[in-house]
Amino acid sequence: QKEVEQDPGPLSVPEGAIVSLNCTYSNSAFQYFMWYRQYSRKGPELLMYTYSSGNKEDGRFTAQVDKSSKYISLFIRDSQPSDSATYLCAMMVTSGSRLTFGEGTQLTVNP
Amino acid sequence: DTAVSQTPKYLVTQMGNDKSIKCEQNLGHDTMYWYKQDSKKFLKIMFSYNNKELIINETVPNRFSPKSPDKAHLNLHINSLELGDSAVYFCASSRARTGAYEQYFGPGTRLTVT
Repeated sequence: QKEVEQDPGPLSVPEGAIVSLNCTYSNSAFQYFMWYRQYSRKGPELLMYTYSSGNKEDGRFTAQVDKSSKYISLFIRDSQPSDSATYLCAMMVTSGSRLTFGEGTQLTVNP
Repeated sequence: DTAVSQTPKYLVTQMGNDKSIKCEQNLGHDTMYWYKQDSKKFLKIMFSYNNKELIINETVPNRFSPKSPDKAHLNLHINSLELGDSAVYFCASSRARTGAYEQYFGPGTRLTVT
């Protein structure tokens, strides 16, 4: 069983839709939760970072962590064609340990 | 100015050859990483160096050997290339080992082994 499970999609939505991306994990020791965005033929870039449980909002993006269910989400409001990319969740046990990535969800926002 | 750069961007080679990929970061970061991304976009860490010291060494065939001549450079040498080595290899860096949640990735090196 993979430590981090993520539905690879592809996910296709119309412009303006609310997008929900999710990951589940099995290692209860994970404490740091990240979302990276990767455009085609580019390296991933950090989008959101959350420590422990709770919500974090940044503009149109909201990251949510539910440690009791071992479930994290990324919500994108008013999605734009420029949001079309692969979204990778990532997790760490401690601040100095390795990142464990999900396999990424490919999102397309259609104009 | 490119923060994390890799050379070459594309590498096509035959089975059995030896090749190297170079990475440089100009962010002043202490920690650097090598990742392998397969065709399904699954990104898996291979190695990490902190101030030239190897701190993460995942289960990777010993045909892969990283080298960090200084904290701004991390190279990856691959001996006796196999078909299964075909993937995109990403270099990344973070400010420090404790800042590993925020990693800056290079553009990737697309390796094709024929």
